[in-house]
Formats: sequence, C-alpha cells, structure tokens
Amino acid sequence: EAGVTQFPSHSVIEKGQTVTLRCDPISGHDNLYWYRRVMGKEIKFLLHFVKESKQDESGMPNNRFLAERTGGTYSTLKVQPAELEDSGVYFCASSLTGNTIYFGEGSWLTVV
Amino acid sequence: QKEVEQNSGPLSVPEGAIASLNCTYSDRGSQSFFWYRQYSGKSPELIMFIYSNGDKEDGRFTAQLNKASQYVSLLIRDSQPSDSATYLCAVMGSGGGADGLTFGKGTHLIIQP
Repeated sequence: EAGVTQFPSHSVIEKGQTVTLRCDPISGHDNLYWYRRVMGKEIKFLLHFVKESKQDESGMPNNRFLAERTGGTYSTLKVQPAELEDSGVYFCASSLTGNTIYFGEGSWLTVV
Repeated sequence: QKEVEQNSGPLSVPEGAIASLNCTYSDRGSQSFFWYRQYSGKSPELIMFIYSNGDKEDGRFTAQLNKASQYVSLLIRDSQPSDSATYLCAVMGSGGGADGLTFGKGTHLIIQP
C-alpha cells in the first residue's frame, strides 16, 4: 500500500514567487493534514481536511497560504507570494480515523 | 497556547541499555499521546500512542502516561544503533484531532555501539 506522497520533495524559489505543493494521501483516508517545520522549531499544525471540507485551518499563518482539496482526494498548498520566513519542511499527513496519523516525507521549501 | 516540551538532547545511550525519553504537555484536556521516530530527512513514523494512564508495551517500546503530572515517556529496551533518531512527542487535544497534533521539538537519541 502506498504511503502519503508529496511533490516536490525539494523546491528553491525566489521571494515573491509562487509555489504549489501537492499531497496524495493514503487511499481511503478522509482526514488530511498539513504541517510545517521551520528551522529550529517544532512541527506545527496548519490545517485539517475531512474529505474536501476544511475542518480546522487555525494554524495557517496568513492569507498568503491557500490549501485546497477538490474532490476529497489529493490536496495542494499554495504559497503566494512566498517570503523568506516561509522556508521549511511542509509535511502532509493522512488518517482514516483521526488517531493513527501517517506522514509523508515532506516538501522542503527554500525561499531565497 | 498548547505546548509540548522535550529535552532536545542529544541523549547518548550505550547499545543494549534502556533509553528513556520524556515529554511534558501544557493542555490538561489533552486526550491522546503519540511518539514518532524521525530519521534525518525522512517522515515522522508513528511508534506508539497511548490514551490511558499507566504503561503500554509494544515489543521493545513502552509508553508511560501520567495525566495528573501531564507527563509522557517512552522507554526503549535493548537499544540498538538503528534506534538512533529524533523522537517526537505529540499530543492531541480535547477537540478530537480537528486541530491536529501539537508536537515537541524532539529528542535526538544516539545509541552508541
């Protein structure tokens, strides 16, 4: 069974540009989460989808971040325009029940 | 604001010994507690979760929970070099996970051969 897959694995963009990260959850998992880890900090929750609906987006840092999950399958996280402080690792995770949460390997974003 | 505290380490333990990893959390209403292992550049991998006070054993791993003290620990028996990794403590709040997990910064564990 395929795990949570994320694309791209690494991305380097200039300040002001746009980046879109994609996450494919484990098949059948209705719960999908985005997390972020910036240098030296802990992994922080960004938002939670149940199917295509945003359950909680209290962790989204500002309106430069937009997450979507059309059709309730894969999800995208767009950062527009990117700022230097957005650099970090963006993890996607999914779960069936909300308890056992499986993480992807992350998308490493560097904004220069 | 919910917080999860861990000693960042590194914690160095000789091979074959017991490694003890500790975690405290601030939200007294937290319901579920998780230990993840993360190798460098890889995804966090769930090792164990625990809901009830006391001990929960799974192979070489034992999770311990004390809700009164707001304390969670992970014991690794017969430590192996392959156990060397960063161990992340994560807590799910009373909202049942809608607002995700709150993570500590992780403890870097080194098992010395």
